[in-house]
Amino acid sequence: DSGVTQTPKHLITATGQRVTLRCSPRSGDLSVYWYQQSLDQGLQFLIQYYNGEERAKGNILERFSAQQFPDLHSELNLSSLELGDSALYFCASSSGTGSTYGYTFGSGTRLTVV
Amino acid sequence: GQQVMQIPQYQHVQEGEDFTTYCNSSTTLSNIQWYKQRPGGHPVFLIQLVKSGEVKKQKRLTFQFGEAKKNSSLHITATQTTDVGTYFCAGGSSASKIIFGSGTRLSIRP
Repeated sequence: DSGVTQTPKHLITATGQRVTLRCSPRSGDLSVYWYQQSLDQGLQFLIQYYNGEERAKGNILERFSAQQFPDLHSELNLSSLELGDSALYFCASSSGTGSTYGYTFGSGTRLTVV
Repeated sequence: GQQVMQIPQYQHVQEGEDFTTYCNSSTTLSNIQWYKQRPGGHPVFLIQLVKSGEVKKQKRLTFQFGEAKKNSSLHITATQTTDVGTYFCAGGSSASKIIFGSGTRLSIRP
């Protein structure tokens, strides 16, 4: 157990639908990062939050949005889902916002769009 | 923008052989991190290098950060089946975020 909790572990949904992925960071960590990993691919950075505020944005589609709540958990919302959105979505957390903080990853949510 | 390239993409070795993956950045890095992702698992932080020319060892794993802070390598001596997985480097920049390389997938013949 890494200390970063992601739910659900698996999600199967139809095209056009909307889903919400949830992440609870490791205790004490203020930064939350979302990554997308398609089959056998690398880690695509989506977005970062630090203490409730958006800090950095990657190649996140307009159909996707995220937020970090006062209790520091974060949600990633994916709407108008397409087949190509099928992937493993990882949340990671770190104690700070600089590049010298190691990331702790959750076990991921595997999204399958049918 | 900043890019972090990693080679090779795949490496298949006989158990007991050595393995090396290389990471190159288009710009000078402030630090480099290495992660390991086992098949079906999530990335796990291995180590961070900060100083120019820094070398760190973890048992059979040796990590190096180049003198110019634009490249890094991970070398595994005498691979074991437990080393199977994908190794990612992640370069830190002054923009305070890290950029992950594309990863090197290591498979091992017992």
